[in-house]
Amino acid sequence: QVQLQESGPGLVKPSETLSLTCSVSGGSLSGYYWTWIRQPPGKGLEWIGYMYSSVNLNYNPSLKSRVTISLDTSKNQFSLKLTSVTAADTAVYYCVRDLLHGDLYYAMDVWGQGTTVTVSS
Amino acid sequence: EIVLTQSPATLSLSPGERATLSCRASQSVSSYLAWYQQKPGQAPRLLIYHASNRATGTPARFSGSGSGTDFTLTISSLEPEDFAVYYCQQRSNWVTFGGGTKVEIK
Repeated sequence: QVQLQESGPGLVKPSETLSLTCSVSGGSLSGYYWTWIRQPPGKGLEWIGYMYSSVNLNYNPSLKSRVTISLDTSKNQFSLKLTSVTAADTAVYYCVRDLLHGDLYYAMDVWGQGTTVTVSS
Repeated sequence: EIVLTQSPATLSLSPGERATLSCRASQSVSSYLAWYQQKPGQAPRLLIYHASNRATGTPARFSGSGSGTDFTLTISSLEPEDFAVYYCQQRSNWVTFGGGTKVEIK
């Protein structure tokens, strides 16, 4: 059974870079879209971006200039970097497995428990 | 960007009643739509994928329907554990989520 676990600082200062890592256990990175989703306090879900391979990745246009997602197959991990953070980036961040195969969308079937990141000085 | 509009924002029902949740897309998403349930303090859980397919572990009282721009999640008879927030999400053009429908106890 695949499990995901986020890790990283819970507090980031304004203007600095938020860095999170998602460790994948029980399965391989191959064949899936590895995704980051966030949820500000009391609000809905926001897609940050996904990476399938080095040539197949997409970011939310509203965050694109500040986001980098990367895969580390040797460690079975993927990571998120979000630069120049502000208080608006305070949220619970989830790492998620997403699958689109052929014409069938299997959707986001495995989620990490989420990690709270607060942006404050 | 494809906008997903969920209605109603809040649904107040009693256990045993039928719940009908709507999700409307600003343009066609074909069947590339999923539904999730989220309870307080928990990560969302996948219920329905590709518009009408129950995910592993999803009870049969949950059903999804629709294609194109109009989708429905139906809970045939509400159980106490079904009171939660429900989100729809499309994967036709990047990824977007609806604003959610809260199903609360009446």
